[in-house]
Amino acid sequence: GAGVSQSPSNKVTEKGKDVELRCDPISGHTALYWYRQSLGQGLEFLIYFQGNSAPDKSGLPSDRFSAERTGGSVSTLTIQRTQQEDSAVYLCASSAYRVVTGELFFGEGSRLTVL
Amino acid sequence: GNSVTQMEGPVTLSEEAFLTINCTYTATGYPSLFWYVQYPGEGLQLLLKATKADDKGSNKGFEATYRKETTSFHLEKGSVQVSDSAVYFCALTQDKANNLFFGTGTRLTVIP
Repeated sequence: GAGVSQSPSNKVTEKGKDVELRCDPISGHTALYWYRQSLGQGLEFLIYFQGNSAPDKSGLPSDRFSAERTGGSVSTLTIQRTQQEDSAVYLCASSAYRVVTGELFFGEGSRLTVL
Repeated sequence: GNSVTQMEGPVTLSEEAFLTINCTYTATGYPSLFWYVQYPGEGLQLLLKATKADDKGSNKGFEATYRKETTSFHLEKGSVQVSDSAVYFCALTQDKANNLFFGTGTRLTVIP
C-alpha cells in the first residue's frame, strides 16, 4: 500500500519486558515522526527524523525509550523495561517536506498494553 | 510555550445539525494551525489548515478561520452527516519547531 505502515497493530507485554515497534513510512518521505497517544490525552511528540540529520529526541520521556531510522526509511521505536504507564497507542507519521509544514501522514498506530 | 486547548467531548449531533468544535491556542510566535481527523479504524489525516491570521481553511464542507485576536481556530460545518463521525484534533506548529502540538481531540458522533 501507499500509506504509512505500522506493526504490530497490537502488543501486549509484561512489565519489565522490552518491546520494538516498527514504522514503514511512505516511500520518498524524508521526515518521520513518532507520537504517543495515551487515554484521554492529546498526541505527545516523541522523536523526529529528517533525512540524514541528527534526530530531535527532545520528546522522549525517559532513557528507556530510543528510536532508530535505518537507511532513511524504516524506523523502530524501542521501549526497554516497559512500565504500565507506557501503555498507549504509538503513532508514526511521515512527510515529504524538508521543513515542518504540519502536513503529516499518519499510520494507524501500534497499541501497547503493559500488564 | 505552545499549546492547544480543545472543547471536551464527546459531541453527539443529529444529521444535518450545525457543528462547532472550539479550539484555542497559545504560541510564542506566528503559528500555522491545523485540523486533523481520525475516522474509525484509520490513521489521522489532515482536514484543513491556515498559515496566517484571517486565513480560512476549508475542506469537505468544514471550515476554520485563523483568529489572531482571539487566538482561536474553531472548526465548523453547516450540516453534518453520519460519515463525519470521527475524532477531530486541533494542532499547531511554529516555523522552527520540529513537531506539531496537538489538542486532546474531540469525538463527534452523528446519529441519523
